[in-house]
Amino acid sequence: DAGITQSPRYKITETGRQVTLMCHQTWSHSYMFWYRQDLGHGLRLIYYSAAADITDKGEVPDGYVVSRSKTENFPLTLESATRSQTSVYFCASSDRPQGLAGPTYEQYFGPGTRLTVT
Amino acid sequence: AQTVTQSQPEMSVQEAETVTLSCTYDTSESDYYLFWYKQPPSRQMILVIRQEAYKQQNATENRFSVNFQKAAKSFSLKISDSQLGDAAMYFCAYRSAVGTSGSRLTFGEGTQLTVNP
Repeated sequence: DAGITQSPRYKITETGRQVTLMCHQTWSHSYMFWYRQDLGHGLRLIYYSAAADITDKGEVPDGYVVSRSKTENFPLTLESATRSQTSVYFCASSDRPQGLAGPTYEQYFGPGTRLTVT
Repeated sequence: AQTVTQSQPEMSVQEAETVTLSCTYDTSESDYYLFWYKQPPSRQMILVIRQEAYKQQNATENRFSVNFQKAAKSFSLKISDSQLGDAAMYFCAYRSAVGTSGSRLTFGEGTQLTVNP
């Protein structure tokens, strides 16, 4: 399927377990992003990647690990899940921005994963 | 760091009427982009409209338009002829135009819009 997909869509896990959320895009976009959405905070950036093997921290990276061995995949791992990581997680992708001279590449979002940590 | 503030957690409008959602932001940059995203109950994030800061003309997309006031750092969204399908959470977002951080979005807290029949 073309576009950006996330799996699983829903996940319930226990405190202390490792969880990996998957993200896959078919556009060969350079940039990929992980956001979490919590009431009262909007979406906050966890990690992003400018290309394969290039990742960088966002606003709320603690407790998360990412990797990007292939352009199309950008998994997010919670190494030891905590209740505060209960949230809806969104993956997004976009082409490389070209500055003011280029088009305003928008970010395309996946459908989200609702994660509950008990 | 840039911040985006939406001071209206909830808004309501009658069908066919006009509503304006507010957004303010703080930045020291002169070149940037601003966006409004819509999130219906399906949770899908949908881009509604975008504005380049260097453009003086306000962006318009059908029933959606913005009032961009660069000096005041204000970016409001006006929805005309509101429809039931407009009911959603609306997020204002900021993106820098420079460097690798120019790919990141900074979001406001969101405004939940209810459309009454």
